[in-house]
Amino acid sequence: QQPVQSPQAVILREGEDAVINCSSSKALYSVHWYRQKHGEAPVFLMILLKGGEQKGHEKISASFNEKKQQSSLYLTASQLSYSGTYFCGTLTYNFNKFYFGSGTKLNVKP
Amino acid sequence: ETGVTQTPRHLVMGMTNKKSLKCEQHLGHNAMYWYKQSAKKPLELMFVYNFKEQTENNSVPSRFSPECPNSSHLFLHLHTLQPEDSALYLCASKGQGASYGYTFGSGTRLTVV
Repeated sequence: QQPVQSPQAVILREGEDAVINCSSSKALYSVHWYRQKHGEAPVFLMILLKGGEQKGHEKISASFNEKKQQSSLYLTASQLSYSGTYFCGTLTYNFNKFYFGSGTKLNVKP
Repeated sequence: ETGVTQTPRHLVMGMTNKKSLKCEQHLGHNAMYWYKQSAKKPLELMFVYNFKEQTENNSVPSRFSPECPNSSHLFLHLHTLQPEDSALYLCASKGQGASYGYTFGSGTRLTVV
């Protein structure tokens, strides 16, 4: 029931792009994305509510493929400030349970 | 600052001690949560409060006792903990409805010795 994130970790050079995937075995109503920097609170980035929806937050965007029960987070032209652990969270259709993924650790180097 | 404040930031306690974690939010949210974050594990939901009423206890051992006196404050009372309870404890709040995200506090880093 917990969504699966991939990859578990990624190292980038500044300016490179990355994709983080989040997939579920259950039909999803919504997907959340969060970023947590070391020693800080997880910060809400965006929520996707409809299949096919895409959203953007600066150069970070996400898509939600409802039929495939998955979401992808796209980081374009990465900056040093993008480093951190990215979590997806999923709400199933019965609204009963919300689960976080295990996280993807992103390290952007100069 | 996220709008959710947790104290203390760090806590070291012995297995026989009793301590409390505090969480405060003034975002007008009516739902508050306790999460446990351990190394290399997903965030684990512990307790959920909606309008001060506990609506979910995710099979948490009784050595963790939550309290929600009002919609702005949430406590987690700890007693006779085990070393495996050492973790980052995060408080979160959320607006009503499925279109809202969680606002997390910075957490309390708990070490049980």
